[in-house]
Order: sequence, then C-alpha cells, then structure tokens
Amino acid sequence: KAGVTQTPRYLIKTRGQQVTLSCSPISGHRSVSWYQQTPGQGLQFLFEYFSETQRNKGNFPGRFSGRQFSNSRSEMNVSTLELGDSALYLCASSPGQGLIYEQYFGPGTRLTVT
Amino acid sequence: AQKITQTQPGMFVQEKEAVTLDCTYDTSDQSYGLFWYKQPSSGEMIFLIYQGSYDEQNATEGRYSLNFQKARKSANLVISASQLGDSAMYFCAMREEGTGTASKLTFGTGTRLQVTL
Repeated sequence: KAGVTQTPRYLIKTRGQQVTLSCSPISGHRSVSWYQQTPGQGLQFLFEYFSETQRNKGNFPGRFSGRQFSNSRSEMNVSTLELGDSALYLCASSPGQGLIYEQYFGPGTRLTVT
Repeated sequence: AQKITQTQPGMFVQEKEAVTLDCTYDTSDQSYGLFWYKQPSSGEMIFLIYQGSYDEQNATEGRYSLNFQKARKSANLVISASQLGDSAMYFCAMREEGTGTASKLTFGTGTRLQVTL
C-alpha cells in the first residue's frame, strides 16, 4: 500500500506570495492532519480534516487554510507569505478518528520564504 | 505549561546497547494516547509505538518498548540492541480525549539519538 505523498517536496517563495501544498493520504484513510515544524517552535498542529470537514484547528492565523476533497486528498494554502512561514509542513493520515489510531506521516514539503 | 516534556536534547549510545529516551506528559484527561515517532534527517515522521492510558501492559514493537508509568505521567521509550540506523530525532506525542474525535497530536521537543560504533 502506498504511503502518504506530499507535493511538492521543496518550494521557494517570496514574501507576500501565496502557496498551495498537496497531500494524498494512504488509500482508505479519511482523516488528514497538517503540522508545521520549525527549529524554534517545533511541531505544531495546523488543522485536521475528516470526511471533507475541518474538525480541529490549531493556533494559526487565518492566512493558513485548508480543504479536503471527496477522495480524501487535502490541500493547505498559505496566503501573504511571511519569512516566519519557512518550515517543514507535514501531512499525516489516519484510518479513523479517536485515540487509538496512529497517524502516518508523509515526507513533508519544505517551504522557504525569501 | 508544557504538555509533553523531553528533557534530553541529545543522547549517545553504543551500537548493540539499550537506550532509554525520557518523556513526561501533563493532562487532566482520563483517556489519552501516547505515541513515539522517529524522524530521520530526511524529515519523514515514522510511527514507532503506541500506548493507551487504559492499557495495563507496556506496549512493545520489536526492539521498541514503552515504559509506561501512569502515576508518574511518564512514557519512556526503550530501544534495545541499538543499530546505526536508529540515529535520528525521536518525538514523544500525546492525543487527549478532550480534543474530541479530532486527531491532534501534541509533540515534545524531541531527543536526538546518535548511535556510535
């Protein structure tokens, strides 16, 4: 079974631009979560989607948004990029919601904002 | 307050030796799950082991075991017979029932493990 895939793997953008990152979960997984990883703040939860609905959102400004499609693929969008948005963005999929379900992570998209 | 605390920024262990990575957590929920992930330099987070708050037995997965001490709120990862390929960052994470059915994981700051010959 194929793992979680994320595209693109690397991205360089300029301040003020917007960016869209894509995540394809493991087949059959309906829950997709997004995390931001930076050296300063560590791993922080962005949001989670289940059955095309956002179920939980982390403490990030409204410039960060996402969506999930009927095939469970998810995208996240960051508008008006700032230098501090430079990070590794990780997507994780899970077969269901609840405490017992482990999350399977993709390789991440490394975003650099200049 | 930190929900997940990993007090060891870096650890060294010799090949074939066992190593314990510390993790303490803070929650008022009765029902929660604890996870350990490995992150090699490539960046991908690899799931290692899971422990539920109501599990009476310590979780084990191959060379990985979780030393769960509920009263002390600790969930230490034990890696037996370390291998060079175990060199990576290791993160402890928690999911709390209070977040509902959401899948939010709260991570610690990680421990960088270096396995030496």
